Amino acid sequence: QAGLTQPPSVSKGLGQTATLTCTGNSNNVGNQGAAWLQQHQGHPPKLLSYRNNNRPSGISERLSASRSGNTASLTITGLQPEDEADYYCSAWDSSLSAWVFGGGTKLTVL
Amino acid sequence: EVQLVESGGGLAQPGVSLRLSCAASGFAFSSYSMNWVRQAPGKGLEWVSSIGGGGSSKYYADSVKGRFTISRDNAKNSLYLQMNSLRGEDTAVYYCARSIDYWGQGTLVTVSS
Repeated sequence: QAGLTQPPSVSKGLGQTATLTCTGNSNNVGNQGAAWLQQHQGHPPKLLSYRNNNRPSGISERLSASRSGNTASLTITGLQPEDEADYYCSAWDSSLSAWVFGGGTKLTVL
Repeated sequence: EVQLVESGGGLAQPGVSLRLSCAASGFAFSSYSMNWVRQAPGKGLEWVSSIGGGGSSKYYADSVKGRFTISRDNAKNSLYLQMNSLRGEDTAVYYCARSIDYWGQGTLVTVSS
């Protein structure tokens, strides 16, 4: 199954804002929106946002998600060292009847 | 508190079978679809299979279709993945996930002779 497209890496300075993107098509991101997951090395993924900008309890307000057409975005403001991680987007593809994932973006906080 | 605990991973030779289990607690298990997602060493996340809350709707990635079977026992709050004809490319950490929102710690499956 074809996956979603994410940039492999993004680097930003401490306190800056990072925007991560995820591009799919009308059957996945453009249909039901995307979920965003954060994964630190050696740990399981953690849900940050689902269906574009619904944040589970306990997730920092510095994170916000949005969607424009077939592209979803995750914006993290006031970058902190603990934000350094891999970020994955995911969406249910109604045409494939499958979950599809992006390849992940490694966020480096300088 | 939602908890998902995978078990059953280990070292397996190519061609053999392995059965993974996921014990769920802290939520109404039968009300949620469940997923298996895997992550090969140093690679990204790959969806493997999904099952609806009632157990009748099942979906598989092309890479495992015909070899893996997902099932659940709602009376035991448990999810399973029967993996047959294992290949080297099946080597990964296998995560059990409640839909997309809660994830277990994962169980490592290594396929090697």
